[in-house]
Amino acid sequence: AQSVTQPDIHITVSEGASLELRCNYSYGATPYLFWYVQSPGQGLQLLLKYFSGDTLVQGIKGFEAEFKRSQSSFNLRKPSVHWSDAAEYFCAVGAAAGNKLTFGGGTRVLVKP
Amino acid sequence: DTAVSQTPKYLVTQMGNDKSIKCEQNLGHDTMYWYKQDSKKFLKIMFSYNNKELIINETVPNRFSPKSPDKAHLNLHINSLELGDSAVYFCASSPDYRYEQYFGPGTRLTVT
Repeated sequence: AQSVTQPDIHITVSEGASLELRCNYSYGATPYLFWYVQSPGQGLQLLLKYFSGDTLVQGIKGFEAEFKRSQSSFNLRKPSVHWSDAAEYFCAVGAAAGNKLTFGGGTRVLVKP
Repeated sequence: DTAVSQTPKYLVTQMGNDKSIKCEQNLGHDTMYWYKQDSKKFLKIMFSYNNKELIINETVPNRFSPKSPDKAHLNLHINSLELGDSAVYFCASSPDYRYEQYFGPGTRLTVT
């Protein structure tokens, strides 16, 4: 069975500083990997996805993520955080059949002025 | 131009009632989903439909019944509501089961 772990429940970062959110997955085959962001009271917005190919993927809002098969990780990064990046971030893995997404528990990001 | 829409946005009801949540997507996607997000923000898939056919049915109580009248709509009907059903329910769609999912704004259900 597939699973996703996001080890950090909360992260506080200063505006302008860099951000890295960790994601570890467990899946028997080549995974489909996603990062979503959920602002307070909103739905989930897709930031980026990895299906195959280049292991460094670029997304919206200046985010990027790197797939490392050897570490079963798909960490999300942003070089310089803006106050509007304060939100809940979810990593997800999709199965090949049916694309059942399994989500991690989420990481809440707080941005200090 | 809302891609995935849900109605209502908020739903407050009493235990034992029956309620429905509607979902519509105007993206032309073949696959639609229902997810439940609990009070700790944990997201779990409930159902998935591909071209009006049920393809994923997780261990969800029989009180929950999805209905897909056409490819663009996937409704969720809940019978005999219980306190534990209180959550945010998200609808999502994707071009087909192999691609990324696009989520609606969610419906916050509160059972009193």
